[in-house]
Amino acid sequence: AQSVTQPDIHITVSEGASLELRCNYSYGATPYLFWYVQSPGQGLQLLLKYFSGDTLVQGIKGFEAEFKRSQSSFNLRKPSVHWSDAAEYFCAVGYDKLIFGTGTRLQVFP
Amino acid sequence: NAGVTQTPKFQVLKTGQSMTLQCAQDMNHEYMSWYRQDPGMGLRLIHYSVGAGITDQGEVPNGYNVSRSTTEDFPLRLLSAAPSQTSVYFCASSPQGQTYGYTFGSGTRLTVV
Repeated sequence: AQSVTQPDIHITVSEGASLELRCNYSYGATPYLFWYVQSPGQGLQLLLKYFSGDTLVQGIKGFEAEFKRSQSSFNLRKPSVHWSDAAEYFCAVGYDKLIFGTGTRLQVFP
Repeated sequence: NAGVTQTPKFQVLKTGQSMTLQCAQDMNHEYMSWYRQDPGMGLRLIHYSVGAGITDQGEVPNGYNVSRSTTEDFPLRLLSAAPSQTSVYFCASSPQGQTYGYTFGSGTRLTVV
């Protein structure tokens, strides 16, 4: 069955610290991979995507993600977190339809 | 260019009532989907469409109907509302092939009492 696992429900970091959000997937083949961000009361905004090629992809707002085929993972990273990064982050996989993980809520302390 | 427009933004229904959540996009996107978002459960796919006249079920289709008579519109119908359908509903669209990822609407918050 196709599924996406985000094992961390809630992460708290200090402003300026580095960040890594984990995402693992189960799919028949290597799917398209996405990270989205949702601020409170808002819709979802695409941060970055991976289809093929270089396994390290850059996105908006200083985020990057690395695809590791052997681990079926697509972890999101940011070297230095800003207070405005506090939001919920969703990993998604698929082709014609996207399957989403349950999300990771990021809290940033000053 | 309005993107993905969902109406209404808020709705309260009584159990057993029916209603239609509207979704329209002006980007000529082939793919459209409906998701519901519940706390701790992420986004769950209700129905999706890969083009006009083509729809398919997602993970949680029961109690919902869709149709896609035009490229622009993808309405979601609740046949007989139940409290379990209290949720935030998101519509999303994408060009064919998902190469750009989904563009999401701002959501409809539905409460069934």
